[in-house]
Amino acid sequence: EVQLVESGGGLVKPGGSLRLSCSASKFSFSDYSMNWVRQTPGKGLEWVSSISSSSSYIYYADSVKGRFTISRDNAKNSLYLQMSSLRAEDTAVFYCARGYCNDGTCFFDYWGQGTLVTVSS
Amino acid sequence: SSELTQDPAVSVALGQTVRITCQGDSLRTYYASWYQQKPGQAPVLVIYGKNNRPSGIPDRFSGSSSGNTASLTITGAQAEDEADYHCNSRDRSGNPVVFGGGTKLTVL
Repeated sequence: EVQLVESGGGLVKPGGSLRLSCSASKFSFSDYSMNWVRQTPGKGLEWVSSISSSSSYIYYADSVKGRFTISRDNAKNSLYLQMSSLRAEDTAVFYCARGYCNDGTCFFDYWGQGTLVTVSS
Repeated sequence: SSELTQDPAVSVALGQTVRITCQGDSLRTYYASWYQQKPGQAPVLVIYGKNNRPSGIPDRFSGSSSGNTASLTITGAQAEDEADYHCNSRDRSGNPVVFGGGTKLTVL
């Protein structure tokens, strides 16, 4: 069974930085695009960023563009999200999710358990 | 950017059929995908593409689409189906992926 395990969440002050990691196993990581999706406590899901299998294509939500950087290391089966200039509204559970997109659809078939990021002074 | 709209809450009697909807302009072009999320757990994909179920998802879950509305139907709802349901799709304007706000399903 595919496994995705996030780490790196925690409490950070507004304006601070944090780096999230996602360790993948039991599938060929280098063959899949990967994503970060977040969920504000008690609210809906928000797509944050995507990276293609070879890192050739990278996309960000408007809400994080210029502040967050997604990256991956296929040799280490790992996905990362470098977050800077954090704001209170970035407080959320961040999920790592394996994705698949084609011309007609885009879905996330496996998700990690999430890591909580709290931005507060 | 485009949005997907879901009813905040829906209820269904045990064993009955319930339809959860998701509306948005992007659904005129792209298929919706649906996720089930129980409290304290990560989302689980239940429907993707035209009407496809991942391995292990019961066949009482089905998907359909018409115009700007996608629907997730649960035929013969069970107590374990009580959860939040989220839809998502691709989008051509703004962000490439968009989610709905989620629907809380209560099984009475």
